Amino acid sequence: NFILTQPHSVSESPGKTVTISCTRSSGNIASNYVQWYQQRPGSAPTTVIYEDNQRPSGVPDRFSGSIDSSSNSASLTISGLKTEDEADYYCQSYDSNSGVFGGGTKLTVL
Amino acid sequence: EVHLVESGGGLVQPGGSLRLSCAASGFTFSSYAMSWVRQAPGKGLEWVSSITSSGVNTYYADSVKGRFTISRDNSKNTLYLQMNSLRAEDTAVYFCANGGIVVLDVWGQGTTVTVSS
Repeated sequence: NFILTQPHSVSESPGKTVTISCTRSSGNIASNYVQWYQQRPGSAPTTVIYEDNQRPSGVPDRFSGSIDSSSNSASLTISGLKTEDEADYYCQSYDSNSGVFGGGTKLTVL
Repeated sequence: EVHLVESGGGLVQPGGSLRLSCAASGFTFSSYAMSWVRQAPGKGLEWVSSITSSGVNTYYADSVKGRFTISRDNSKNTLYLQMNSLRAEDTAVYFCANGGIVVLDVWGQGTTVTVSS
């Protein structure tokens, strides 16, 4: 198995752009799709990005995902930050027999 | 609209058993893999188990292998998680989600399991 490492927390001001990284410890990040989930306090997670860079219907295009093989990492970028984006964000990938979550990043919009 | 409702959580003593259920509606349940994910108090998400649409193939995290069993009844649109030999570290909110180990689409609101004497 591999580990997905995320920064513990990030903060940015409303209207700005923030990027959250997710680094895979072993194996090629591009070998398996990466998903991103948003979890607001007291709520269940929701999917904001799937298959590296696809947005589910209803997710604004301010949310985007990408993969960088050179750093073996995935990124979630949120532009035009709103206070409602304040939440925990988790990346997720998998291998042949198991799912793997990153440790989560707390996004503060202040 | 996809709707997932978990039930069956509660307080159980260490070594005890519990069976969680997840009632699904709003999609063709028998066509989708399903999963359980848990979240310990104040901690991050942990994948627990997944099952293919037919129920033939199942997958488990090492932390629960041999103690938990995932199953489904496609005639009842219901997913299950049988949890045996429960430990304090199994205390968490348990979410069901449609999707397998690759992508989790819609999540339920979760049911709380507390393992304590």
